[in-house]
Amino acid sequence: QQPVQSPQAVILREGEDAVINCSSSKALYSVHWYRQKHGEAPVFLMILLKGGEQKGHEKISASFNEKKQQSSLYLTASQLSYSGTYFCGTRADTGFQKLVFGTGTRLLVSP
Amino acid sequence: DAGITQSPRHKVTETGTPVTLRCHQTENHRYMYWYRQDPGHGLRLIHYSYGVKDTDKGEVSDGYSVSRSKTEDFLLTLESATSSQTSVYFCAISEMLEPNQPQHFGDGTRLSIL
Repeated sequence: QQPVQSPQAVILREGEDAVINCSSSKALYSVHWYRQKHGEAPVFLMILLKGGEQKGHEKISASFNEKKQQSSLYLTASQLSYSGTYFCGTRADTGFQKLVFGTGTRLLVSP
Repeated sequence: DAGITQSPRHKVTETGTPVTLRCHQTENHRYMYWYRQDPGHGLRLIHYSYGVKDTDKGEVSDGYSVSRSKTEDFLLTLESATSSQTSVYFCAISEMLEPNQPQHFGDGTRLSIL
């Protein structure tokens, strides 16, 4: 079942912060985050495993709330280069499960 | 960057014709995937492969077939293309299926079926 991402779109000014959420109705083992710029391939950002692990990647970090089956991606002091569409991919906790992607959150950072 | 090459990058064809897309990798990764990307749907898995001649269906496999005769090549075939298969197709690879292994994507093939 496809995870739900919110918001669907965000417009920021350079230097502002944003949070993108990814929620699933299934118990999750891992959450993947990717960023895709227009006309390009999705690029891997980070993976979070169940256990509430938080990860960081420069000014982009993420958390995984196992109780809520939700992951949040935090973008702080946004830069123009952060513009693009952010996808979460979730892998369920039971048996062999493929990665299922959300529909994406479009982020636009303006000067 | 992961060594993934998709071909062709763009293709326009007519309804009812067969189409084959190719994904070639130089990473010697075991797992290969075909996704389609459509507005409002995100990335949806068509088929994947977990080794030479070992493939399985994804969530939107109807109308598609795949083959993998060598580790480095994964082919996606539309036997009789329909307009609903107009999409951007991405190939991805991963070293293992473990939950902490990322997938790396090719640059995509934009397919238009008239």
